[in-house]
Amino acid sequence: DTAVSQTPKYLVTQMGNDKSIKCEQNLGHDTMYWYKQDSKKFLKIMFSYNNKELIINETVPNRFSPKSPDKAHLNLHINSLELGDSAVYFCASSQALTDTQYFGPGTRLTVL
Amino acid sequence: AQKVTQAQTEISVVEKEDVTLDCVYETRDTTYYLFWYKQPPSGELVFLIRRNSFDEQNEISGRYSWNFQKSTSSFNFTITASQVVDSAVYFCALSENTNAGKSTFGDGTTLTVKP
Repeated sequence: DTAVSQTPKYLVTQMGNDKSIKCEQNLGHDTMYWYKQDSKKFLKIMFSYNNKELIINETVPNRFSPKSPDKAHLNLHINSLELGDSAVYFCASSQALTDTQYFGPGTRLTVL
Repeated sequence: AQKVTQAQTEISVVEKEDVTLDCVYETRDTTYYLFWYKQPPSGELVFLIRRNSFDEQNEISGRYSWNFQKSTSSFNFTITASQVVDSAVYFCALSENTNAGKSTFGDGTTLTVKP
């Protein structure tokens, strides 16, 4: 009965690889997000999707491509991983764009 | 452009002390929303409160209280009689109506409550 779930929880990979993180919410929300939290705990928005449409793309490199197959899912694909991509990635959802966001448990990505 | 400043990087208190976490925001919008989230050592982000710009009433929830003052663009968070379980990183966040979907988070305040 988890509200916002992410898989995997941990991801360790080599530089140059391509990886995906999946996110699902069962709250019936229309809006989903991806955030990046770096080693200093700074939390920065990457993407916002509303009704499967991209609303916000915060100058994220093209190597990052979100995909929303339906309103309950927002996946994040990362190409050609770099050391600087190591971080915790959080997915979140909200009913509307300014409503309270509910976060998934996070995916800790480590690029070696 | 929207901005959130949490000037206190780290705060350390002894159990049962009261502690206030400061949050100052900048926005040109007249309609906006402010939030506080808690991130305990286990890593999840837990929602605490949402306040819209037209509601300046202070709020109390158990040992937690929030003081919203538009005149000083502040939305401060006080924990009364702190407990060890309050140890966490606390984030203040802002969401503007005209820039909906782009929430800005402060850098967080790490609170350590010692027994």
